[in-house]
Amino acid sequence: EPEVTQTPSHQVTQMGQEVILRCVPISNHLYFYWYRQILGQKVEFLVSFYNNEISEKSEIFDDQFSVERPDGSNFTLKIRSTKLEDSAMYFCASSPVGNWGYTFGSGTRLTVV
Amino acid sequence: GESVGLHLPTLSVQEGDNSIINCAYSNSASDYFIWYKQESGKGPQFIIDIRSNMDKRQGQRVTVLLNKTVKHLSLQIAATQPGDSAVYFCAEPPARGSTLGRLYFGRGTQLTVWP
Repeated sequence: EPEVTQTPSHQVTQMGQEVILRCVPISNHLYFYWYRQILGQKVEFLVSFYNNEISEKSEIFDDQFSVERPDGSNFTLKIRSTKLEDSAMYFCASSPVGNWGYTFGSGTRLTVV
Repeated sequence: GESVGLHLPTLSVQEGDNSIINCAYSNSASDYFIWYKQESGKGPQFIIDIRSNMDKRQGQRVTVLLNKTVKHLSLQIAATQPGDSAVYFCAEPPARGSTLGRLYFGRGTQLTVWP
């Protein structure tokens, strides 16, 4: 069964440093998403991406965040200057055209110290 | 905006029993709901969905019931197994007829199955 792959599985970074979280969506999916989950809390939407541009973003997705599809397979989330409150699980997801059948990756646990 | 919420943060059942996980929503215009399962260390996994023109939908060992009168949906798991132990979320899109974009997730119910 096709999977969404995320790397790394764990990332520890110092406050103020930049991090890049990487995702390989399912190959025939065209819609890509990032969500985050702070420990013990809800899964929260960050951003959706289609046709090489952001289609929607949440209030969490401020200027510190950016997404990119640098080639035909990767989808990245960059946090420019990490804060302690950015510590969370970050999930990438992808879906086919117009289909709610999201497939989520296993997530990257980001710890900011 | 988001309107889904779950009733109980934890649920413990004995193996073989049926489990019922509940979710309430506040937006009467909501027309599509999804249940996800999240096992420890993994991402959310789609279980089953239901549209508002249905009251009930069945999958393999799972049934989702939608009561639009009281804005409530439930996930029923038959003959619960240890592998069903996970956090269960209900989720919905933000707008009626929306076909892509953000999902709003409820807070989740931790289901624990004991022998």
